Amino acid sequence: QKEVEQNSGPLSVPEGAIASLNCTYSDRGSQSFFWYRQYSGKSPELIMFIYSNGDKEDGRFTAQLNKASQYVSLLIRDSQPSDSATYLCAASNDYKLSFGAGTTVTVRA
Amino acid sequence: SQTIHQWPATLVQPVGSPLSLECTVEGTSNPNLYWYRQAAGRGLQLLFYSVGIGQISSEVPQNLSASRPQDRQFILSSKKLLLSDSGFYLCAWSRQEANRIYEQYFGPGTRLTVT
Repeated sequence: QKEVEQNSGPLSVPEGAIASLNCTYSDRGSQSFFWYRQYSGKSPELIMFIYSNGDKEDGRFTAQLNKASQYVSLLIRDSQPSDSATYLCAASNDYKLSFGAGTTVTVRA
Repeated sequence: SQTIHQWPATLVQPVGSPLSLECTVEGTSNPNLYWYRQAAGRGLQLLFYSVGIGQISSEVPQNLSASRPQDRQFILSSKKLLLSDSGFYLCAWSRQEANRIYEQYFGPGTRLTVT
């Protein structure tokens, strides 16, 4: 079983819509969760991190965490073509981060 | 502010040749340092991590090695490259604190092609 699983893409959304990305993790001991964005050919860049159950908002991005369900999500509101990228979910696992395989999002104009 | 550098940006090497990739971090001290590899269309695979000078932990047994000769310098090496070593190599750093995992920040990466 993979430690971090993300919903398979690609995910195509129209400009201005909400993109919803999901992630589940297997280690109940995970305490910290991260979302990264990776443009094609570039390195991952941190979008958000969340440590507590509930929602955390930053601009057009909202991260949601439910530790009981071992579930993390990322909502992108008012999606823009510049949001087209692969989104990586990561969960803490002892001393390291375990990354999901990523979900590719395409925002069509 | 903190900055992480990697070089070279791209590299084409023949099978059996040696490898040395370098990563340096500026603007912080005593960071945790990490080496990842990302094969084409794949996720991130943690190769090595370090919590201090000379302290290296290996995640995946292979023909690669890592060293940390200075606090903010992390080097990935190989004596003989394999075709399967091709990929996008990423260095990352994070703050260090006992019992706490912080976010990691990635360098620009080195794209290695072994021919």
